[in-house]
Amino acid sequence: DTAVSQTPKYLVTQMGNDKSIKCEQNLGHDTMYWYKQDSKKFLKIMFSYNNKELIINETVPNRFSPKSPDKAHLNLHINSLELGDSAVYFCASKPSTGGTNEKLFFGSGTQLSVL
Amino acid sequence: QKEVEQNSGPLSVPEGAIASLNCTYSDRGSQSFFWYRQYSGKSPELIMSIYSNGDKEDGRFTAQLNKASQYVSLLIRDSQPSDSATYLCAVRNSGYALNFGKGTSLLVTP
Repeated sequence: DTAVSQTPKYLVTQMGNDKSIKCEQNLGHDTMYWYKQDSKKFLKIMFSYNNKELIINETVPNRFSPKSPDKAHLNLHINSLELGDSAVYFCASKPSTGGTNEKLFFGSGTQLSVL
Repeated sequence: QKEVEQNSGPLSVPEGAIASLNCTYSDRGSQSFFWYRQYSGKSPELIMSIYSNGDKEDGRFTAQLNKASQYVSLLIRDSQPSDSATYLCAVRNSGYALNFGKGTSLLVTP
């Protein structure tokens, strides 16, 4: 029944490791996003995909690589993890890229802790 | 990234009072404005959207938009302890994504 699901919910890892976060939505939406929320609650856009194509790539280190195998999935792979990568990562989706239909459906978040 | 500014708070109001949350944005071309509520440890959820100047009411919530002043506000009437959360202002500019402010923490005291 979950609309936007992310795994894992918690991720604890050492500096320098490579990790992935998976996201799937069963809403039939065209557009998916990755947001990063830091310890001060600032929610910042990282990437946006529309129909598997990259639309937005904000100023994010190239250690972060999104991959969208199909419209329902948007995974995030992070290489060479750093302490500053510790945050909550939210996947989100919405039906279209434009218009007034702007409600974002968020996943439950992945708490990443880099030690 | 275009700026969306909010006072981080915390804003403390007594139960039953009106809570007033404010937000300013920098991109004059912005067309869509939203308020999301986020409880601690949870994901954000949309509570209000507004697209034209003026007020929009939904139950105890009223969103206000003034594009000339680049200002959006959210009023919560008859505040309840369950309204205690972080409120995120979000603005869609000419791009495809929503830009969020840093959020205002609201505490409603019984």
